[in-house]
Amino acid sequence: QQQVKQSPQSLIVQKGGISIINCAYENTAFDYFPWYQQFPGKGPALLIAIRPDVSEKKEGRFTISFNKSAKQFSLHIMDSQPGDSATYFCAASMDGTSYGKLTFGQGTILTVHP
Amino acid sequence: NAGVMQNPRHLVRRRGQEARLRCSPMKGHSHVYWYRQLPEEGLKFMVYLQKENIIDESGMPKERFSAEFPKEGPSILRIQQVVRGDSAAYFCASSPFGGALSEQYFGPGTRLTVT
Repeated sequence: QQQVKQSPQSLIVQKGGISIINCAYENTAFDYFPWYQQFPGKGPALLIAIRPDVSEKKEGRFTISFNKSAKQFSLHIMDSQPGDSATYFCAASMDGTSYGKLTFGQGTILTVHP
Repeated sequence: NAGVMQNPRHLVRRRGQEARLRCSPMKGHSHVYWYRQLPEEGLKFMVYLQKENIIDESGMPKERFSAEFPKEGPSILRIQQVVRGDSAAYFCASSPFGGALSEQYFGPGTRLTVT
């Protein structure tokens, strides 16, 4: 099963709040889990990524939490800012004969109110 | 170093016409992935190419769609006899090495509208 399921579909938070987006996957062969940020009219841009040998990775206000046994991972945005308003995609990929092609979640539209 | 370039940014075609989408990877990148984004959906993998070779086209529709990445020049995604269901944003991404740990850099996309 190649699907990656993402929730919620949309999220509204106040400035300074915490935004949490969740993803679940089925294929245990996935070994790379990136998050992408996309602004309207632009292509996705890599935000942060994690491999399954660690449970958490933090870069500035962005943190990925990874639960290998539950096959779930999530993005936490601390101190959310209006400039964070965008669509966020989780993704998964694997090496070998999959050549690193990305399987994306459905996306979450984040709106941060000032 | 310029990013990934795609042109045209917007393309309008009538049903039955051909659409040609171009992607110039970042300098030094020889791996290109094409993805399609339908309205309000995530991106779906279409094809992975290296210079002069199609490596994985498992996401490409069996008919009307083709892709190439010649030794010189951009990668091209070609859609023959377009139908309304082909209306979508098409993104290419380039990578220096290919594989899961090699970051993919996305272009701004080509938004295809079929009337």
